[in-house]
Amino acid sequence: GAVVSQHPSWVICKSGTSVKIECRSLDFQATTMFWYRQFPKQSLMLMATSNEGSKATYEQGVEKDKFLINHASLTLSTLTVTSAHPEDSSFYICSARQGLFTDTQYFGPGTRLTVL
Amino acid sequence: QKEVEQDPGPLSVPEGAIVSLNCTYSNSAFQYFMWYRQYSRKGPELLMYTYSSGNKEDGRFTAQVDKSSKYISLFIRDSQPSDSATYLCAMRQGAQKLVFGQGTRLTINP
Repeated sequence: GAVVSQHPSWVICKSGTSVKIECRSLDFQATTMFWYRQFPKQSLMLMATSNEGSKATYEQGVEKDKFLINHASLTLSTLTVTSAHPEDSSFYICSARQGLFTDTQYFGPGTRLTVL
Repeated sequence: QKEVEQDPGPLSVPEGAIVSLNCTYSNSAFQYFMWYRQYSRKGPELLMYTYSSGNKEDGRFTAQVDKSSKYISLFIRDSQPSDSATYLCAMRQGAQKLVFGQGTRLTINP
């Protein structure tokens, strides 16, 4: 089946630093990648959608300058949390979809970010 | 009103029971329907994917979609403790973004 990986799985950083999270589709080319945020016992909240080679589309209320997304290739997308603060601590999950209409989305294992 | 409604539970059943999980939705344009299973501190895992109305079976899992009632279900037969997880329904229209339910926390008791 389709596999999506994320790295790192867990990161702790100091307030004010930047953190980069990688998302890779291992056995398929992802036309579209998605980044979600999930708080404990809550559902997934879509942050942004990115298509390879173009700028990401951010959901309302998500700060573009704080959450930088780069979709440099059909197998790699990165999320950089800039100047992280404790309120950015969360579980970040990426997802990838090969096609547009009929293809399903496959999720990565998630990255737990803790900002001290 | 949320686009997708799902009872968050928690739902607790004995091992071997049949589990029924449900979602209702308001957008009649939804075409693609999915069920994901999410273990604690893990990413969601795709369980079932259906297009339009009807039933789909995969092992112990059966997904049903009733577009006329805007209602989808996931049935788990012969439930096992390893089925304990949060189950998320999700759906979308065309190439648009997935819309998730809140997720139902399920516990299967040995």
